[in-house]
Amino acid sequence: ETGVTQTPRHLVMGMTNKKSLKCEQHLGHNAMYWYKQSAKKPLELMFVYNFKEQTENNSVPSRFSPECPNSSHLFLHLHTLQPEDSALYLCASSQPLAGTDTQYFGPGTRLTVL
Amino acid sequence: AQKVTQAQTEISVVEKEDVTLDCVYETRDTTYYLFWYKQPPSGELVFLIRRNSFDEQNEISGRYSWNFQKSTSSFNFTITASQVVDSAVYFCALSEQGDSSYKLIFGSGTRLLVRP
Repeated sequence: ETGVTQTPRHLVMGMTNKKSLKCEQHLGHNAMYWYKQSAKKPLELMFVYNFKEQTENNSVPSRFSPECPNSSHLFLHLHTLQPEDSALYLCASSQPLAGTDTQYFGPGTRLTVL
Repeated sequence: AQKVTQAQTEISVVEKEDVTLDCVYETRDTTYYLFWYKQPPSGELVFLIRRNSFDEQNEISGRYSWNFQKSTSSFNFTITASQVVDSAVYFCALSEQGDSSYKLIFGSGTRLLVRP
């Protein structure tokens, strides 16, 4: 595997379900990000982790719970979501300490909340 | 506040035409980075280019070229001799340094449709 991978690619869940999105990066980066992309809206940054520590929470509702057990893995735990949470969730990674902050993205998880 | 504006929502061209995607940004930082990403229908954002604010040289990579002009706060992207495979949504982004990492401020994207 190379780059940034995300699973599952598609997810349909009810409002009472609990599910998790997984992101894994094989680039040796130390920073990882969750973004939300809704129809007709700009990409919204949700969370930033740097060296496993959360450094940014962009006023995201508590029904989204991130977890970063190590620099290569990032999860987004979902519970009691709303239909308006249906979107493409993108994970990215970067290596800010190396002087380059280019973020590399995964293919995304397309989430539908019924 | 940091802001990126992509005024063109959708552009449609016929294959082999040249097309320019506009990007205008606002920032108070003296050091910043600008990016272009491509998002094909599959969804993944593909990194195309990163430009440092101190480097105003235009860049060419195959059929792609970028025109960075600090005086007008613009970072435009031109595709020469467009192809159907260029059809995608293109995002311009501005990097903002946070406490210990960087945040990307994205424009709203321009959807490019290249017709055969």
